[in-house]
Amino acid sequence: SQTIHQWPATLVQPVGSPLSLECTVEGTSNPNLYWYRQAAGRGLQLLFYSVGIGQISSEVPQNLSASRPQDRQFILSSKKLLLSDSGFYLCAWAGTVAYEQYFGPGTRLTVT
Amino acid sequence: QKEVEQNSGPLSVPEGAIASLNCTYSDRGSQSFFWYRQYSGKSPELIMSIYSNGDKEDGRFTAQLNKASQYVSLLIRDSQPSDSATYLCAAYNYGQNFVFGPGTRLSVLP
Repeated sequence: SQTIHQWPATLVQPVGSPLSLECTVEGTSNPNLYWYRQAAGRGLQLLFYSVGIGQISSEVPQNLSASRPQDRQFILSSKKLLLSDSGFYLCAWAGTVAYEQYFGPGTRLTVT
Repeated sequence: QKEVEQNSGPLSVPEGAIASLNCTYSDRGSQSFFWYRQYSGKSPELIMSIYSNGDKEDGRFTAQLNKASQYVSLLIRDSQPSDSATYLCAAYNYGQNFVFGPGTRLSVLP
């Protein structure tokens, strides 16, 4: 069965510090991968998606970036965090048949 | 802009009642529809998917799709306090990305 991991689970970072969030998927190959952000009490905002290694599409211009160095690894980064980057960051994977998305446990980021 | 709309709630129902959650979508090309349950502080969990007009039942859950009306619903029978959560509706058009609704908060009162 497929499993998706995210770490860290929680993170408190000062404004201006860098960020690296990691997501890995097990039990599937060549998944579509997604990064979402959910602000407190809000809906899901798609940040990035990837259909393959090195292929990244950005949905929202911001100070965040994403990379996919391996088939089942997806990384979200920032060089300098802003207060507005606080939120719940969710990684998701989808197969290429049913297109259902499955979410990881998420990382709760607080920028202080 | 493609949108999925949901009543934000909260929708309050007594324990044992039927909870009815509704969703409309703007993209007529959407082919697949999904319902997710999100407990407070947790990530969304897929509970139902529906691809064809009509009803699809899974245990206490029934998803209903009407593509002509661009309308999707989720019925939860015999609602339990453990069903209290936010329910997200999502629409998918092949080759594009999921569009999520803002979610409806459901509260099942004991």
